[in-house]
Amino acid sequence: DIQMAQSPSSLSAFAGDRVTVTCRASQNINNYLNWYQQKPGKAPKLLIYGATSLQRGVSSRFGGSGSGTEFTLTISSLQPEDCATYYCQQSYSAPQTFGQGTKVEIK
Amino acid sequence: QLQLQESGPGLVKPSETLSLTCNISGGAISTFYWHWLRQSPGRGLEWIGFVYYNGNVDYNPSLRRRVTISMDPSESRFSLKLRDATAADTAIYYCARSPRAIQAAAQFDFWGQGAPVTVS
Repeated sequence: DIQMAQSPSSLSAFAGDRVTVTCRASQNINNYLNWYQQKPGKAPKLLIYGATSLQRGVSSRFGGSGSGTEFTLTISSLQPEDCATYYCQQSYSAPQTFGQGTKVEIK
Repeated sequence: QLQLQESGPGLVKPSETLSLTCNISGGAISTFYWHWLRQSPGRGLEWIGFVYYNGNVDYNPSLRRRVTISMDPSESRFSLKLRDATAADTAIYYCARSPRAIQAAAQFDFWGQGAPVTVS
């Protein structure tokens, strides 16, 4: 199985700050990398697919970059409603696997 | 707007079969892949398997010997059966959809709200 490692495991930032979450794959996954946001008690919500494509209806504050083994999720200006846990997921090969999550909080 | 809704017992005895159903409404079933995933504090998010609208399936190798996923297009629903349940199967179970099985367009774009299941 392809292992996905996220860093940091948690972060705290001020509203308006630029926030970056990193995801590393244990092998080359091209651009088959997706990002999800999960709030407490809710299902994950797709934010970014194909490493860089913004899902319809998702705020343009969210952006994705990277290819190969290293990927980044960026929130350009952190808002209170962005407090959540963020997961990366590879869809390069089965079984599809997820990172362990990054919890984002507001200071 | 597509909606997915999981249903089934919230409590399962060890060694019995965990059974869940996902009802699909507000969208087409054909040409999509329909998945089961689960989430627990110890294992994180884990993909269980999928069924295609034509009945083709694929499973996570770690669960393959215990899992069956099936589709009932006439009732717009698909089901999960996990045999020989243990405490390690305690989790929130989600159903989800993807346009493709793997690689391009294989993202999970719609999810159900989740069904908590305890094996005890």
